[in-house]
Amino acid sequence: DTGVSQNPRHKITKRGQNVTFRCDPISEHNRLYWYRQTLGQGPEFLTYFQNEAQLEKSRLLSDRFSAERPKGSFSTLEIQRTEQGDSAMYLCASSFGPGTVYGDTQYFGPGTRLTVL
Amino acid sequence: AQTVTQSQPEMSVQEAETVTLSCTYDTSENNYYLFWYKQPPSRQMILVIRQEAYKQQNATENRFSVNFQKAAKSFSLKISDSQLGDTAMYFCAFFSGAGSYQLTFGKGTKLSVIP
Repeated sequence: DTGVSQNPRHKITKRGQNVTFRCDPISEHNRLYWYRQTLGQGPEFLTYFQNEAQLEKSRLLSDRFSAERPKGSFSTLEIQRTEQGDSAMYLCASSFGPGTVYGDTQYFGPGTRLTVL
Repeated sequence: AQTVTQSQPEMSVQEAETVTLSCTYDTSENNYYLFWYKQPPSRQMILVIRQEAYKQQNATENRFSVNFQKAAKSFSLKISDSQLGDTAMYFCAFFSGAGSYQLTFGKGTKLSVIP
């Protein structure tokens, strides 16, 4: 069990460019989540996958954002036409469900810090 | 929608002392789960402790314990024998799984352990 990994760890881009982040969940976890965290705030939910199906999306996930999990393993989050307001830490989490005693405990990766200039 | 409130933006504690972080939440659900996560400076979010709402017994994990008051919708974290490595942001989070699989987080409490 190597934990949740995310790449890249840091990304600096110019406004208007597209960026893509990758998340590799814990290997046996079938559920994957994306969150966004701005400075001084708690993480905010963006989207949720069970296997390859995207089952839940937050209203924060504007049409410039798209997420995929093509084979139910790794996931990508793409932001098109980046804006300065997109600058944040993007966190990925994974879990195994359903039906664990402790609910759906989510384990987080180190995050990708995005800076839009 | 569920909300989670952490009313203490910052706290400090002397090394080896005990500190309690507060968390309240609002929900209409009866079955749910509560978590405390720790986020050290520039490091990733780590699960500290978790509590099922249907269990009356408070969860404990080594130096960490919770005081879960379901009727009051309160979920505080007690850290005993504080260590320098406990310095971090602490986030309280709520999960119900009823219609949504998201964790709802509070804004966090920044804890500093003073040598």
